[in-house]
Amino acid sequence: AQSVTQPDIHITVSEGASLELRCNYSYGATPYLFWYVQSPGQGLQLLLKYFSGDTLVQGIKGFEAEFKRSQSSFNLRKPSVHWSDAAEYFCAQEYGNKLVFGAGTILRVKS
Amino acid sequence: AAGVIQSPRHLIKEKRETATLKCYPIPRHDTVYWYQQGPGQDPQFLISFYEKMQSDKGSIPDRFSAQQFSDYHSELNMSSLELGDSALYFCASTSGTGNTEAFFGQGTRLTVV
Repeated sequence: AQSVTQPDIHITVSEGASLELRCNYSYGATPYLFWYVQSPGQGLQLLLKYFSGDTLVQGIKGFEAEFKRSQSSFNLRKPSVHWSDAAEYFCAQEYGNKLVFGAGTILRVKS
Repeated sequence: AAGVIQSPRHLIKEKRETATLKCYPIPRHDTVYWYQQGPGQDPQFLISFYEKMQSDKGSIPDRFSAQQFSDYHSELNMSSLELGDSALYFCASTSGTGNTEAFFGQGTRLTVV
């Protein structure tokens, strides 16, 4: 069955430090992958997506993600984290025209 | 720019009551998806509609039903509510099916007491 794995439930980083959130997918030779961010009690906002082409994808708010087929990974990165980045981040893969989400990673930012 | 509108934003119901959640997709979007996100959980796909026809079905209980209307808005009807139905219900819309970016609404938070 298709699955998206986010191995880290919680991550804490210092403001200004770099960030990498891990995501592994399990289905498809040409996966369609997404990263969403969710602030408490809010909806899901799309940060970036990968359909094909360049494996390094740029998103909003200074985020980027790199698709690595050999590792079945689509890790999200940001060079310098801001306190406003504290939220929950979901990796998702399109499967049969719907999205399958990972369990999410809660990001805490300490000053 | 217009986004996906969900109403109500918050809803409190008692066990065994019914609830209706509404979703208004982005103009010219013809596909609507419903997701359920339990406390501390990831969103789970419930059901989707394309051009007013059900296109896919996920882990939606038999007590729930949904439809898409001629103006493309969708309603999720939930009957015989249980405590476990308490969750954030998201609607998302896209244009066409597959390989496109789904825009999510803010969600309806349903609390069953």
